Amino acid sequence: DSGVTQTPKHLITATGQRVTLRCSPRSGDLSVYWYQQSLDQGLQFLIQYYNGEERAKGNILERFSAQQFPDLHSELNLSSLELGDSALYFCASSARLAGGPTDTQYFGPGTRLTVL
Amino acid sequence: EDQVTQSPEALRLQEGESSSLNCSYTVSGLRGLFWYRQDPGKGPEFLFTLYSAGEEKEKERLKATLTKKESFLHITAPKPEDSATYLCAVQGIYGGSQGNLIFGKGTKLSVKP
Repeated sequence: DSGVTQTPKHLITATGQRVTLRCSPRSGDLSVYWYQQSLDQGLQFLIQYYNGEERAKGNILERFSAQQFPDLHSELNLSSLELGDSALYFCASSARLAGGPTDTQYFGPGTRLTVL
Repeated sequence: EDQVTQSPEALRLQEGESSSLNCSYTVSGLRGLFWYRQDPGKGPEFLFTLYSAGEEKEKERLKATLTKKESFLHITAPKPEDSATYLCAVQGIYGGSQGNLIFGKGTKLSVKP
C-alpha cells in the first residue's frame, strides 16, 4: 500500500459525459501528479500540482482539467468524453516539488475509466 | 526530447534463470532514473531511484545499475512471484516538465515454475 488513495476504482460512462476522479496523496506530500495509461501509449504525464498550484502540464487535453484543494487532495475532471479516453488514470504524490531523494513519486491504485 | 526505451518488450524465464532488463534513455540533464514494478490492473510500485552513473541498488533478487545512457535491472534466480511489468522512468532537470516522469513502455516478465 503506497498510501495514495484514488476513487472510484471503476467508472463506466457514455460518450459526451463528464466525470471526476479523486486522489488523496500520502500524508505530508505536497505534490500531486496525474498520469494516463492506455495499452498503446503507456504511462503519460498529464498535469502536476504543488501545494495547490499548477506547476507543470504534459499531454493533457483541453477537455481535461484538474485542481488541488487546501487539504491537498486533487480532482481530475474529464469532460465531453470520447471512446479514446478509456484508460487507467493514476495519481501519484511526492513530498517535494522536484529534486533530491524525497521526490520519489508513489502511485495510487488507479481509476479504470470505460467510455461506451 | 526526453525519451525512454525499454527492451525486451516481453521476457519469459524459468524459475531460477537469471537475466537483465534494459532501459536506454535520452534526457537533457538527469535528475533521477526510477524503476517501478506494475502488476496487472494495479498502480506502479516503487523499486529504486538511481541518481548518477556508476550507482547500484539492490533489493532481494533485484539489482539496478546506471550508466550515462542506460540502466539495467538484473534479476537473480527469479521466482514466479517476480512476474510483472517492470517500468523505467527518467526525471529531467531542464525544461517546463521537470519533476514529472517520462516512462518507457515496460518489460513484461513472466517466470514459470
